[in-house]
Parts: sequence; C-alpha cells; structure tokens
Amino acid sequence: GQQVMQIPQYQHVQEGEDFTTYCNSSTTLSNIQWYKQRPGGHPVFLIQLVKSGEVKKQKRLTFQFGEAKKNSSLHITATQTTDVGTYFCAGWASNYQLIWGAGTKLIIKP
Amino acid sequence: EAGVTQSPTHLIKTRGQQATLRCSPISGHTSVYWYQQALGLGLQFLLWYDEGEERNRGNFPPRFSGRQFPNYSSELNVNALELEDPALYLCASSEGGANTQYFGPGTRLTVL
Repeated sequence: GQQVMQIPQYQHVQEGEDFTTYCNSSTTLSNIQWYKQRPGGHPVFLIQLVKSGEVKKQKRLTFQFGEAKKNSSLHITATQTTDVGTYFCAGWASNYQLIWGAGTKLIIKP
Repeated sequence: EAGVTQSPTHLIKTRGQQATLRCSPISGHTSVYWYQQALGLGLQFLLWYDEGEERNRGNFPPRFSGRQFPNYSSELNVNALELEDPALYLCASSEGGANTQYFGPGTRLTVL
C-alpha cells in the first residue's frame, strides 16, 4: 500500500548543531504537511508545501518538497532546546488519503 | 477562537468493555479525523469524517467505529476493548479535503 518512509527515527544532536529529517513517499503527493509534537503534547501544524521543488523557510527551519513531489525534508539550523520534539510529515495522495510518516524524534544531548 | 476539544481527558476501562470518545471540531470545520498513537510511536490513522459521512478508514478492525453528528462533532467507539488498545486517541479537524489539520489534546485510554 501507499506509505511514507521517514528517517531517521531518532536524532541526537548537541545544542547548536543542525538537524534534518527526510520523508520519501511510494506515491506522488498532492501536497505535504509538517507537524511538530512536543513531549506530552499533540501534533501542531508547521507548514504545507504544494508545488514541485518548493522551498519554504520559517526562521531556522527550512522545508523542501522534491521535484517529483515524492520526497520532502525539514532542516533545522543551530538547534535550540525549544526544538525538542517529534517531527512528522504527512502527505496527501491523489485519492484523498493522508499518509503519515512515523516521525523523527529530535533529542538534544545534555 | 476555541480549538479542537476532546473528552474525556483520561478513560480507564477493563478488557471487553466499550469506550466512547468525543471530539468537537473548530467552528466552521467540517472534517474530523481520528488517530491512535501508542506510547512513543507515530500516528495511526483510524477514521475520517466529512459532512457527516465516513470518507476513509484506516487498517483497524470493525470494533473501531464512529460517527459525525450534524453539528460536525464526532464520536469514536471502541468495542470489546483489548489489551493492545491503550493509547492516546487524537482527534483533528480541518476545513475539509487536503487542508491543515488542527489537533485536540487527545484522550488517554487505559485498559486494565
């Protein structure tokens, strides 16, 4: 069936280091959304990408949508403790099915 | 503007019982989605309702069911609870279709 693979499952970084998570879909997506879930919280919408090759920035966060609309990435520059949480991608397939990645947990090393 | 609300916050049941979880979407939103999130894991899609109709269903047994009321609020029913069902059950609403989903705080279900 249709699936979105998200890697890595976990990423441990020192504060100030960069963080990247990748999503790869088995099918072409009409759009892709990114969500953040803080520990003990619920997912919160970050951004939506719709166009092929689209790049969007939110302060230290950079989001990309691949040319084939099958992959996406989220890059955080110079991580801070407030970035801790799990980042999920969710892609809408053409049959109106929303497919979620398994999430990447960002952990800041003490 | 009020966000998505869910009740109860916590629910404790015993194996074999039925659980009923409720969700009120953001005003103006017609779509409601239900997800199961087991501890430390990702979101597993359960159900999608829009305009009172079930639009899509995840890979869950029939004992997971629900409905959407005329005011767009929704109810998730889990029958014959099993020991594998404990999880955070999240509800999200959107304006319909492939729009942004806004999540509620969830209902934590415990099965003894």
